[in-house]
Amino acid sequence: DIQMTQSPSTLSASLGDRVTITCRASQNINSWLAWYQQKPGKAPKLLIYKASSLQEGVPSRFSGSGSGTEFTLTITSLQPDDFATYYCQHYNSYPWTFGQGTKVEI
Amino acid sequence: VELLESGGGLVQPGGSLRLSCAASEFTFSSYAMNWVRQTPGKGLEWVSFISGSGYSAYYADSVKGRFTFSRDNSKNTLYLQMNSLKGEDTAVYYCARWRDGSGFDYWGQGTLVTVSS
Repeated sequence: DIQMTQSPSTLSASLGDRVTITCRASQNINSWLAWYQQKPGKAPKLLIYKASSLQEGVPSRFSGSGSGTEFTLTITSLQPDDFATYYCQHYNSYPWTFGQGTKVEI
Repeated sequence: VELLESGGGLVQPGGSLRLSCAASEFTFSSYAMNWVRQTPGKGLEWVSFISGSGYSAYYADSVKGRFTFSRDNSKNTLYLQMNSLKGEDTAVYYCARWRDGSGFDYWGQGTLVTVSS
């Protein structure tokens, strides 16, 4: 199985900060990677697919990059609504797996 | 797009439960669907995939042989039959729509399954 490792696990940031979350795959997943945002008690929300494509309706301050085994999610100018937990997920081959999550807190 | 799960609850180890997910406001048979679960306070785990036709299904190793994913396209409904349940199956179960090659684009609100004696 392909393992997805996110770093950091927790990230403390302030409003207006630029934030970068890293996701590493244990083997090549090409660009078959998605990023999700989850808030407490809610279902995850798709932000980015195919590593760098922005889901419709997601603010442009979110961006994704990378291919192969290393990927990043960047949030420019952190907003109050962005404090949440973020997960990466590969879909290169079954079983699909998620990273363990990165909590972005104040 | 709306996805509404039901069927969760408390079940004893070794028991069975069937989850349902009612879909609406999209062409149901055109989309593959999935179940994803989340252990309380922990991360996400993909459980199973089913193609739009229902002919193909894939499972996580942790549930293979115990869970069966099916769909009724005439009723716009998904089913997850869970047998031989274990404590580690305790989680919130979400159904999620798969947009081909582009991630889980819509999720239900989740249904809680608790396996405990």
